Amino acid sequence: DTAVSQTPKYLVTQMGNDKSIKCEQNLGHDTMYWYKQDSKKFLKIMFSYNNKELIINETVPNRFSPKSPDKAHLNLHINSLELGDSAVYFCASSQGLVGEQYFGPGTRLTVT
Amino acid sequence: AQSVTQLDSQVPVFEEAPVELRCNYSSSVSVYLFWYVQYPNQGLQLLLKYLSGSTLVKGINGFEAEFNKSQTSFHLRKPSVHISDTAEYFCAVSVKQHGSGNTGKLIFGQGTTLQVKP
Repeated sequence: DTAVSQTPKYLVTQMGNDKSIKCEQNLGHDTMYWYKQDSKKFLKIMFSYNNKELIINETVPNRFSPKSPDKAHLNLHINSLELGDSAVYFCASSQGLVGEQYFGPGTRLTVT
Repeated sequence: AQSVTQLDSQVPVFEEAPVELRCNYSSSVSVYLFWYVQYPNQGLQLLLKYLSGSTLVKGINGFEAEFNKSQTSFHLRKPSVHISDTAEYFCAVSVKQHGSGNTGKLIFGQGTTLQVKP
Protein backbone atom coordinates (compact mmCIF):
# COMPACT_ATOMS: atom_id res chain seq x y z
CA ASP A 1 0.00 0.00 0.00
CA THR A 2 2.90 2.32 -0.85
CA ALA A 3 1.67 5.88 -1.39
CA VAL A 4 4.07 6.89 -4.18
CA SER A 5 5.92 4.13 -5.95
CA GLN A 6 8.59 4.20 -8.64
CA THR A 7 10.02 1.53 -10.89
CA PRO A 8 12.73 0.57 -11.28
CA LYS A 9 14.61 1.40 -8.08
CA TYR A 10 17.97 1.05 -9.83
CA LEU A 11 18.72 1.55 -13.51
CA VAL A 12 22.14 1.02 -15.04
CA THR A 13 22.48 1.69 -18.74
CA GLN A 14 24.92 2.82 -21.39
CA MET A 15 25.26 6.20 -23.03
CA GLY A 16 22.96 6.69 -25.97
CA ASN A 17 20.25 4.35 -24.74
CA ASP A 18 16.61 5.31 -24.16
CA LYS A 19 15.00 4.45 -20.82
CA SER A 20 11.81 5.10 -18.88
CA ILE A 21 11.01 5.48 -15.21
CA LYS A 22 7.47 4.88 -14.02
CA CYS A 23 5.67 6.55 -11.13
CA GLU A 24 2.31 5.76 -9.59
CA GLN A 25 0.50 7.29 -6.63
CA ASN A 26 -2.52 5.84 -4.85
CA LEU A 27 -3.28 8.92 -2.74
CA GLY A 28 -5.90 10.31 -5.09
CA HIS A 29 -3.77 13.42 -5.68
CA ASP A 30 -4.22 15.54 -8.78
CA THR A 31 -0.65 16.85 -9.09
CA MET A 32 2.56 14.96 -9.74
CA TYR A 33 6.19 16.01 -10.03
CA TRP A 34 9.61 14.83 -11.12
CA TYR A 35 12.74 15.97 -9.25
CA LYS A 36 16.40 15.27 -9.95
CA GLN A 37 18.88 14.84 -7.09
CA ASP A 38 22.51 15.12 -8.16
CA SER A 39 25.59 13.59 -6.60
CA LYS A 40 25.82 16.49 -4.12
CA LYS A 41 22.25 15.75 -3.02
CA PHE A 42 20.93 18.97 -4.55
CA LEU A 43 17.26 18.61 -5.49
CA LYS A 44 15.75 20.41 -8.44
CA ILE A 45 12.30 20.21 -9.94
CA MET A 46 12.04 19.05 -13.53
CA PHE A 47 8.33 18.79 -14.34
CA SER A 48 4.93 18.93 -12.76
CA TYR A 49 1.49 17.93 -13.98
CA ASN A 50 -1.81 19.08 -12.55
CA ASN A 51 -4.85 17.11 -13.70
CA LYS A 52 -2.74 15.73 -16.54
CA GLU A 53 -1.78 19.23 -17.69
CA LEU A 54 1.89 20.24 -17.79
CA ILE A 55 2.40 23.04 -15.26
CA ILE A 56 6.16 23.22 -14.84
CA ASN A 57 8.88 22.46 -17.37
CA GLU A 58 12.10 23.63 -15.82
CA THR A 59 14.73 24.16 -18.53
CA VAL A 60 15.16 20.43 -18.91
CA PRO A 61 16.75 19.12 -22.14
CA ASN A 62 14.11 17.94 -24.55
CA ARG A 63 15.63 14.45 -24.33
CA PHE A 64 13.48 14.23 -21.19
CA SER A 65 9.79 13.78 -21.85
CA PRO A 66 7.19 13.28 -19.15
CA LYS A 67 3.95 11.50 -19.89
CA SER A 68 0.87 11.45 -17.73
CA PRO A 69 -1.63 8.83 -18.94
CA ASP A 70 -3.90 9.60 -15.98
CA LYS A 71 -3.81 11.52 -12.72
CA ALA A 72 -2.30 8.58 -10.84
CA HIS A 73 0.68 8.08 -13.14
CA LEU A 74 3.55 10.23 -14.33
CA ASN A 75 6.27 8.52 -16.32
CA LEU A 76 9.62 9.93 -17.36
CA HIS A 77 11.18 8.93 -20.64
CA ILE A 78 14.79 9.82 -21.38
CA ASN A 79 16.28 9.60 -24.87
CA SER A 80 19.96 9.38 -25.79
CA LEU A 81 21.18 9.09 -22.23
CA GLU A 82 24.33 10.99 -21.27
CA LEU A 83 26.79 10.57 -18.43
CA GLY A 84 25.45 13.74 -16.80
CA ASP A 85 22.02 12.21 -16.51
CA SER A 86 23.31 9.96 -13.73
CA ALA A 87 21.37 10.96 -10.63
CA VAL A 88 18.54 9.92 -8.37
CA TYR A 89 15.13 10.80 -9.80
CA PHE A 90 12.24 11.32 -7.40
CA CYS A 91 8.58 11.36 -8.19
CA ALA A 92 6.22 13.25 -5.88
CA SER A 93 2.53 14.02 -5.65
CA SER A 94 0.29 16.53 -3.91
CA GLN A 95 -3.34 17.47 -3.72
CA GLY A 96 -3.53 20.79 -5.45
CA LEU A 97 -0.63 23.16 -5.94
CA VAL A 98 -0.27 24.29 -2.33
CA GLY A 99 0.95 22.23 0.54
CA GLU A 100 3.00 19.15 1.13
CA GLN A 101 4.33 16.84 -1.49
CA TYR A 102 4.70 13.11 -0.94
CA PHE A 103 7.85 11.62 -2.41
CA GLY A 104 8.55 8.22 -3.87
CA PRO A 105 11.62 6.17 -2.90
CA GLY A 106 13.65 7.35 -5.88
CA THR A 107 15.24 5.74 -8.93
CA ARG A 108 19.00 5.71 -9.03
CA LEU A 109 20.04 6.06 -12.69
CA THR A 110 23.64 5.28 -13.59
CA VAL A 111 24.81 5.96 -17.12
CA THR A 112 28.09 4.31 -18.11
CA ALA B 1 14.02 34.75 -8.04
CA GLN B 2 13.63 32.70 -4.92
CA SER B 3 16.50 30.87 -3.25
CA VAL B 4 17.06 28.87 -0.11
CA THR B 5 20.29 28.76 1.89
CA GLN B 6 21.02 26.17 4.51
CA LEU B 7 23.91 27.65 6.37
CA ASP B 8 25.48 24.44 7.62
CA SER B 9 26.34 21.54 5.34
CA GLN B 10 27.06 19.24 8.29
CA VAL B 11 26.00 19.41 11.92
CA PRO B 12 27.59 16.90 14.30
CA VAL B 13 25.88 16.61 17.68
CA PHE B 14 25.87 14.18 20.58
CA GLU B 15 22.82 12.13 21.42
CA GLU B 16 20.32 13.86 23.71
CA ALA B 17 21.78 17.29 22.92
CA PRO B 18 19.65 20.03 21.35
CA VAL B 19 20.11 20.92 17.71
CA GLU B 20 19.23 23.77 15.38
CA LEU B 21 19.45 23.52 11.60
CA ARG B 22 19.42 26.91 9.97
CA CYS B 23 17.52 27.92 6.88
CA ASN B 24 17.23 31.33 5.24
CA TYR B 25 15.31 32.14 2.11
CA SER B 26 15.29 34.96 -0.36
CA SER B 27 12.01 36.01 -1.89
CA SER B 28 10.29 39.24 -2.77
CA VAL B 29 6.90 37.60 -2.32
CA SER B 30 5.22 35.50 0.34
CA VAL B 31 6.21 31.87 0.54
CA TYR B 32 5.18 28.58 2.02
CA LEU B 33 7.95 26.84 3.96
CA PHE B 34 8.79 23.18 4.48
CA TRP B 35 11.35 20.93 6.13
CA TYR B 36 11.91 17.46 4.72
CA VAL B 37 14.09 14.62 6.02
CA GLN B 38 15.86 12.05 3.86
CA TYR B 39 17.16 8.89 5.48
CA PRO B 40 19.90 7.01 3.60
CA ASN B 41 18.73 5.54 0.30
CA GLN B 42 15.17 6.67 0.86
CA GLY B 43 12.81 9.33 -0.44
CA LEU B 44 11.96 12.57 1.31
CA GLN B 45 9.53 12.69 4.21
CA LEU B 46 7.81 15.85 5.36
CA LEU B 47 8.79 16.95 8.88
CA LEU B 48 6.69 20.10 9.09
CA LYS B 49 5.29 22.96 7.07
CA TYR B 50 4.32 26.59 7.44
CA LEU B 51 1.46 27.78 5.26
CA SER B 52 -0.07 30.50 7.45
CA GLY B 53 -1.08 31.24 11.03
CA SER B 54 1.14 30.64 14.04
CA THR B 55 4.80 31.16 13.25
CA LEU B 56 5.84 28.29 15.53
CA VAL B 57 5.20 25.04 13.77
CA LYS B 58 5.43 21.61 15.35
CA GLY B 59 6.18 18.56 13.26
CA ILE B 60 6.83 14.87 13.56
CA ASN B 61 9.53 13.20 15.65
CA GLY B 62 9.71 16.12 18.12
CA PHE B 63 10.92 18.70 15.60
CA GLU B 64 9.67 22.26 15.45
CA ALA B 65 10.48 25.34 13.40
CA GLU B 66 9.82 29.04 13.67
CA PHE B 67 9.00 31.29 10.75
CA ASN B 68 10.64 34.69 11.10
CA LYS B 69 9.46 36.95 8.33
CA SER B 70 11.72 39.89 9.17
CA GLN B 71 14.81 37.68 9.10
CA THR B 72 13.47 35.49 6.28
CA SER B 73 14.38 32.42 8.28
CA PHE B 74 12.78 29.08 9.10
CA HIS B 75 15.17 27.33 11.46
CA LEU B 76 14.51 23.75 12.54
CA ARG B 77 15.00 22.72 16.17
CA LYS B 78 14.82 19.66 18.37
CA PRO B 79 15.48 19.79 22.11
CA SER B 80 17.01 16.32 22.36
CA VAL B 81 18.20 14.28 19.37
CA HIS B 82 18.43 10.52 18.98
CA ILE B 83 20.78 8.38 16.94
CA SER B 84 17.85 7.67 14.64
CA ASP B 85 17.68 11.37 13.69
CA THR B 86 20.89 10.97 11.68
CA ALA B 87 19.83 11.94 8.17
CA GLU B 88 19.87 14.67 5.53
CA TYR B 89 17.53 17.59 6.19
CA PHE B 90 16.20 19.86 3.46
CA CYS B 91 14.53 23.22 3.78
CA ALA B 92 12.24 24.19 0.90
CA VAL B 93 10.06 27.09 -0.16
CA SER B 94 7.15 27.43 -2.51
CA VAL B 95 6.00 30.81 -3.77
CA LYS B 96 2.57 31.87 -2.54
CA GLN B 97 0.59 33.14 -5.49
CA HIS B 98 -2.81 34.73 -5.37
CA GLY B 99 -5.68 33.33 -7.34
CA SER B 100 -4.73 30.50 -9.68
CA GLY B 101 -1.04 31.33 -10.00
CA ASN B 102 0.37 28.63 -7.72
CA THR B 103 2.59 26.07 -9.41
CA GLY B 104 3.56 23.89 -6.44
CA LYS B 105 7.22 24.31 -7.37
CA LEU B 106 9.47 23.56 -4.41
CA ILE B 107 12.87 25.25 -4.26
CA PHE B 108 15.23 23.31 -2.05
CA GLY B 109 18.25 24.30 -0.01
CA GLN B 110 21.49 22.40 -0.34
CA GLY B 111 20.71 20.13 2.58
CA THR B 112 22.23 19.71 6.04
CA THR B 113 23.64 16.39 7.19
CA LEU B 114 22.78 15.83 10.83
CA GLN B 115 25.21 13.38 12.42
CA VAL B 116 24.14 12.23 15.87
CA LYS B 117 26.93 10.64 17.84
CA PRO B 118 26.51 8.30 20.82
